[in-house]
Amino acid sequence: DTEVTQTPKHLVMGMTNKKSLKCEQHMGHRAMYWYKQKAKKPPELMFVYSYEKLSINESVPSRFSPECPNSSLLNLHLHALQPEDSALYLCASSQVPQGRRREKLFFGSGTQLSVL
Amino acid sequence: GEDVEQSLFLSVREGDSSVINCTYTDSSSTYLYWYKQEPGAGLQLLTYIFSNMDMKQDQRLTVLLNKKDKHLSLRIADTQTGDSAIYFCAEKGSGNTGKLIFGQGTTLQVKP
Repeated sequence: DTEVTQTPKHLVMGMTNKKSLKCEQHMGHRAMYWYKQKAKKPPELMFVYSYEKLSINESVPSRFSPECPNSSLLNLHLHALQPEDSALYLCASSQVPQGRRREKLFFGSGTQLSVL
Repeated sequence: GEDVEQSLFLSVREGDSSVINCTYTDSSSTYLYWYKQEPGAGLQLLTYIFSNMDMKQDQRLTVLLNKKDKHLSLRIADTQTGDSAIYFCAEKGSGNTGKLIFGQGTTLQVKP
């Protein structure tokens, strides 16, 4: 199993809603990532979890709240989002956190989020 | 700061070779990557090259690295319509955070 599975694939939410994005991998990877990607743009790193602990927060607004319940699961809780938060949210994982080693990132297919 | 640049669009005919170019600024980069993104999908790692290498070949893919000029290229031989996608060049940022710095992506259009 070399997949990173993300659910849902599409999500439409209002600015007052609370929703969660889910990501799952069963490759035994110990680093998991959230990226945000706008159309025709490169992915932007949001968060990195290393051994289930938050290791990087790229100054992401608090309306995005990550959670790593265990080594296979990664959630992104959304609350009071703005229309400009509409984007493709990608989850990725790597065997260990990318440091000096050439760790490969495996990406999920993403959740296409629309905030109305 | 760290920056990665790519041309935005490339159009080729099926069967031709495609060459996608990338320049980067961080001379301490150790690994450079090429990712492919098809419509509605996540990013797929195509290949990577270590900075002490000049060239890496993997089936139809050839990566060339000119470290002096900080120039990276991806050549796809015998380009097929299934190769149509956005191709992102990325370098591993300095330090041990492992953060990837992506280029803007090159849209490859393959005409039959």
